[in-house]
Amino acid sequence: DSGVTQTPKHLITATGQRVTLRCSPRSGDLSVYWYQQSLDQGLQFLIQYYNGEERAKGNILERFSAQQFPDLHSELNLSSLELGDSALYFCASSLAPGQLYEQYFGPGTRLTVT
Amino acid sequence: DAKTTQPPSMDCAEGRAANLPCNHSTISGNEYVYWYRQIHSQGPQYIIHGLKNNETNEMASLIITEDRKSSTLILPHATLRDTAVYYCIVTSGTYKYIFGTGTRLKVLA
Repeated sequence: DSGVTQTPKHLITATGQRVTLRCSPRSGDLSVYWYQQSLDQGLQFLIQYYNGEERAKGNILERFSAQQFPDLHSELNLSSLELGDSALYFCASSLAPGQLYEQYFGPGTRLTVT
Repeated sequence: DAKTTQPPSMDCAEGRAANLPCNHSTISGNEYVYWYRQIHSQGPQYIIHGLKNNETNEMASLIITEDRKSSTLILPHATLRDTAVYYCIVTSGTYKYIFGTGTRLKVLA
């Protein structure tokens, strides 16, 4: 158990819909990262927040947005969903905006778009 | 970040050493080699990382060639619980991590 929690574990929704994925970082961690893992693209970095501020952006679509709240939990919002958005979405956290080895990954949310 | 090439799958007998290779011929001087593994679609788990020297921790050893164009992850005594997908990642910390499709290691009883 990494200490990072993600809800929900599974989500099934229809194309065109909007969903929100939630992540609670490990106690004391200030930085949160979001990743998408699909069958054909592997694991890709989406976005990073540190203490409420966006710090780095990866291959995140304009239909996707995220934020980190004052209590440090983070939400990833996915809108106008397409079949290709079906994937595992992972959240990771670290104490500071550090290197890859300092990130602890959560169990993931499996999103299925039908 | 440099791209990596790994074999898609490998088998290893339980109790034997598992040697997982990775090619990263375009690695640059400030890029580290990381290894992660993922068990049954769980969150990736950090194993080890290194720059140019060989590294060892409680989980594994990392051997990096002198020219840094390839590396090998060694699990000294593989167990059934080591069955997972292993990812070799090369990065300078730009967040453009490329996990790729990894090597699916199956440890056989």
